[in-house]
Amino acid sequence: DVKVTQSSRYLVKRTGEKVFLECVQDMDHENMFWYRQDPGLGLRLIYFSYDVKMKEKGDIPEGYSVSREKKERFSLILESASTNQTSMYLCASSSFSGRAGKNQETQYFGPGTRLLVL
Amino acid sequence: KNEVEQSPQNLTAQEGEFITINCSYSVGISALHWLQQHPGGGIVSLFMLSSGKKKHGRLIATINIQEKHSSLHITASHPRDSAVYICAVRIGGNQFYFGTGTSLTVIP
Repeated sequence: DVKVTQSSRYLVKRTGEKVFLECVQDMDHENMFWYRQDPGLGLRLIYFSYDVKMKEKGDIPEGYSVSREKKERFSLILESASTNQTSMYLCASSSFSGRAGKNQETQYFGPGTRLLVL
Repeated sequence: KNEVEQSPQNLTAQEGEFITINCSYSVGISALHWLQQHPGGGIVSLFMLSSGKKKHGRLIATINIQEKHSSLHITASHPRDSAVYICAVRIGGNQFYFGTGTSLTVIP
């Protein structure tokens, strides 16, 4: 059974704190993603990674950084948390889509981390 | 402008009703996914479509590539179907665009 886990379900932090959100997948997937989900805006891509130590900016990378030191783990870092980063953060993973004909892999999502920045 | 538009945003139905959720997109896609998100946040994939129609239990998903439109139907709706349904399109490579979701409430 496929599994994507996130380190916390709920998190409360203060403005200016450094925040680490961890995501682990056990499916040997190459691709991992961090999204944030806000009411009325849907899911927006922050960063993704298609291999260890590789990362690509998504649509809203400002204020965030990521780390992928091991294939199974993808970390999202808020260097200095701000109140506008209060959101639901969702991690996802999928297998590599570069091979011909294999471009439809499903993304598997973690349970989400609801972050409140005060 | 959002590349993926869903309608309606909110939907309330009586148990047993037939439900339709629509998704329109404006970009070329390699596949379209319907996702279900339950209260508490967990997202599961319901369907992945690149053409035609798929059925799983009481759920049916259709896609019209020429019209850039997909529908998700739920027959004989049940309160446990209450969730947010999200349409997502894959544009090639590894990126997805997501609709803002349709919040469905089925009343007993």
